[in-house]
Amino acid sequence: QVQLQESGPGMVKPSETLSLTCSVSGGSINNYYWSWIRQPPGKGLEWIGYIHSSGSTKYNSSLKSRVRISVDTSKNQFSLRLSSVTDADTAVYYCVKDRLGDADFDFWGRGALVTVSS
Amino acid sequence: EILMTQSPAILSVSPGERATLSCRASQSVSSNLAWYQLKPGQAPRLLIYGADTRATGIPARFSGSGSGTEFTLTISSLQSEDFAVYYCQQYNYWPRTFGQGTKVEIK
Repeated sequence: QVQLQESGPGMVKPSETLSLTCSVSGGSINNYYWSWIRQPPGKGLEWIGYIHSSGSTKYNSSLKSRVRISVDTSKNQFSLRLSSVTDADTAVYYCVKDRLGDADFDFWGRGALVTVSS
Repeated sequence: EILMTQSPAILSVSPGERATLSCRASQSVSSNLAWYQLKPGQAPRLLIYGADTRATGIPARFSGSGSGTEFTLTISSLQSEDFAVYYCQQYNYWPRTFGQGTKVEIK
C-alpha cells in the first residue's frame, strides 16, 4: 500500500517561498501522477497541481504564476514550491497520488499545516 | 471553474441509521465524480469514484449514485468510525474542484 508523508517548515513569512516535500513509500513514484492539494482553515479543498514521474506538470490557473512542482525519482519524492506567500496561503497541504492523472486521488498523506506569519 | 455544492453542511445521525449526502455540480460532469472521507489527523480516504464505484477496501455500506449534476453518497448503517467530513470532487473539467463538505456528526 502506497504511503505518503509531507515534510517541511510549519511557518513561512509573508512574501517568502513555501517549500514542502512528499516522500512516497510502499511503491514506486515512476509512471504515476502526483498532486498537491490544500485546505485553508475552515474552507474546502483546492487542487494545486500535479507532476508525472516524467516531469510533466499541470497547475491550477489560480496559482500557476507562483507554483512549481518537481520530482526526484531517485529519492521517490516530489516537492512543492509556492512563492510570494500571503495569509491566504495558510493551509493544510496534502500530497496525493493521482489515480489516473485526470481523475480522482487514491492515496493521501496526512497533511502538513503551513502557517504564513511574520 | 465548476462549482460543487454539498448539502447539508452538517448532518446529525444516530449510529445504525442511514445517512444521505448530496452533491450538485454547476454543470454536468457526467459520471466523473468522487467522494472522500476526512478525519482529523488521518490521511483522507477515497470512497467512491466514477460516481458509483467503491474504491478498494471500502465497505459495502457506502454507495454512490447519480450522474450529470446531481449525486448522492449513502451510508446505509452508520458505524462509529463513519463520523467524519465528506467531500465530493469532479474531474470532468480542469481544474478539478471539490465541494465544501458535509460533516456527519453523532446525533
